[in-house]
Amino acid sequence: SQKIEQNSEALNIQEGKTATLTCNYTNYSPAYLQWYRQDPGRGPVFLLLIRENEKEKRKERLKVTFDTTLKQSLFHITASQPADSATYLCALEGSGYSTLTFGKGTMLLVSP
Amino acid sequence: AAGVIQSPRHLIKEKRETATLKCYPIPRHDTVYWYQQGPGQDPQFLISFYEKMQSDKGSIPDRFSAQQFSDYHSELNMSSLELGDSALYFCASSNRDGTRGRAGEQYFGPGTRLTVT
Repeated sequence: SQKIEQNSEALNIQEGKTATLTCNYTNYSPAYLQWYRQDPGRGPVFLLLIRENEKEKRKERLKVTFDTTLKQSLFHITASQPADSATYLCALEGSGYSTLTFGKGTMLLVSP
Repeated sequence: AAGVIQSPRHLIKEKRETATLKCYPIPRHDTVYWYQQGPGQDPQFLISFYEKMQSDKGSIPDRFSAQQFSDYHSELNMSSLELGDSALYFCASSNRDGTRGRAGEQYFGPGTRLTVT
């Protein structure tokens, strides 16, 4: 069955460093992958979408890579700030053609 | 910019009661999704509507039903509530990728926190 894996352990980094989060998937051939940010008790917020024919996508301090051979996406936040502390979810097409399945997310903690 | 609106924000019900959650999508978005998120869990897809017609069905219990109305707002109806239904319920809206109909980026509402006692 389709499976999305994100590191369940929180990632602790210092302010100013680059945070790198990993999303691995199996039994999928997704046309694209999405990354969301979620703060406690709030709805996920869309960050980036990368298509299967794109190797890399950037938006301000965010960068996403998508390796369909390795079945992996990396999500980078450069010059991280305490305000970046949140849970980051990756999402792929679900079993429905027009649905998303989310990974369990990785919590990022950026300390001053 | 207008966002997804959900009401109520908090709801407390007893076991076996019913609950109705409402969602008002972003104007001109053609698809509405409902998700359930338990504590420490990822959002689980329940059901979606495209242009007011049911589109996809996920892990929605038979006790739950949903519909989308002519004004595009959607309601999730939950009956015979169980303790395990306590969760955050999110509504999201999007415009599908017009060329392929796939789910595009989704915009989530603030959620309804349902507590069943």
